[in-house]
Amino acid sequence: GAVVSQHPSRVICKSGTSVKIECRSLDFQATTMFWYRQFPKKSLMLMATSNEGSKATYEQGVEKDKFLINHASLTLSTLTVTSAHPEDSSFYICSARDQTVGPQHFGDGTRLSIL
Amino acid sequence: TQLLEQSPQFLSIQEGENLTVYCNSSSVFSSLQWYRQEPGEGPVLLVTVVTGGEVKKLKRLTFQFGDARKDSSLHITAAQPGDTGLYLCAGASQAGTALIFGKGTTLSVSS
Repeated sequence: GAVVSQHPSRVICKSGTSVKIECRSLDFQATTMFWYRQFPKKSLMLMATSNEGSKATYEQGVEKDKFLINHASLTLSTLTVTSAHPEDSSFYICSARDQTVGPQHFGDGTRLSIL
Repeated sequence: TQLLEQSPQFLSIQEGENLTVYCNSSSVFSSLQWYRQEPGEGPVLLVTVVTGGEVKKLKRLTFQFGDARKDSSLHITAAQPGDTGLYLCAGASQAGTALIFGKGTTLSVSS
């Protein structure tokens, strides 16, 4: 089956630090990847849609300068949380689609804790 | 804006009981997926339904897509502690668009 790898699984860092999270499709090419944020016991909130070779499309209310997304290849998208603050602490999850109309396959998420 | 209303939000039952989770919308979806998520992990796809009236079974889980493709249900028969987790429905308004997630149902099955 389609496998999506997300790294790191957990990050703890000081306020003001920038953190990069990687999302890789291991056995398929993903022209589109999605980034979600999830609060404890809550559902997933779509942050942005990442298309290979083009700028990401951000959802309303998501700061594009705060959450930098790069999708440089068909198997890798990165999310960089710039100058992170405690309110950015959350569970970040990526997903990738192996076909234009196929289901999304999710990574295992990254638990980000900003002290 | 399309919304998916999922209910109940929390469900705590005894092993062996049956349960149904509902996912409703006023909008039509081209497809609808059900995911199960455990703490600290990403959601795992259980099923995709695309045809109005479609019924799919996965062992003790039965998924149904409404005739009008605006609603779906997940029925679990004889729940087991291993069924504990967060169940999420998600729909796509058009093929290839981002998924819209329901708020999730946290299921706890005790032995």
